[in-house]
Amino acid sequence: GAVVSQHPSRVICKSGTSVKIECRSLDFQATTMFWYRQFPKKSLMLMATSNEGSKATYEQGVEKDKFLINHASLTLSTLTVTSAHPEDSSFYICSAPGRNTEAFFGQGTRLTVV
Amino acid sequence: GEDVEQSLFLSVREGDSSVINCTYTDSSSTYLYWYKQEPGAGLQLLTYIFSNMDMKQDQRLTVLLNKKDKHLSLRIADTQTGDSAIYFCAESRGGGATNKLIFGTGTLLAVQP
Repeated sequence: GAVVSQHPSRVICKSGTSVKIECRSLDFQATTMFWYRQFPKKSLMLMATSNEGSKATYEQGVEKDKFLINHASLTLSTLTVTSAHPEDSSFYICSAPGRNTEAFFGQGTRLTVV
Repeated sequence: GEDVEQSLFLSVREGDSSVINCTYTDSSSTYLYWYKQEPGAGLQLLTYIFSNMDMKQDQRLTVLLNKKDKHLSLRIADTQTGDSAIYFCAESRGGGATNKLIFGTGTLLAVQP
């Protein structure tokens, strides 16, 4: 089946630094990818829709300057958490729509900002 | 995510059936999904149902959909300890298979041996 690879799986960074998370569709093309954030013991919250070749669409309340999304190719979307702070610590997960009904999810990235 | 509601916790004994309930809000949702998340891991699609269906069965899993009440349930027959996880329902928004998913609050299923 289709696979979405997300990297890194875990990252620890210092406050004020930026962190880039990659989401790759390995054996299919994805013109659209979705980025979610999951707080501890909470559900997944859709942050933004990444569109290949155009600007991402952000959900209400998500800071676009804080969470930079780039979808430069049909197989790669990146999420950069800029000037990270401890409150940005979370589990970030991407997904890409399949050909039919299924959304394929990456393994997720556990970000810890210290 | 708070638009889609689930009970927070369910505890069952091994071998019993588990029923996880979900109430969603968007009547135009075309697909409804059930995902499983094990600790520290990503999401695994368990099953999905198209909105014009009332029921779907897939091995030990049975999905029931009451579109009038916007109620979705997942029944796991012969629950095993390996079924212990958090279960999320999700509804698709944006029409078709765009897969912009709105997730429920998640139900932690604990299976006692």
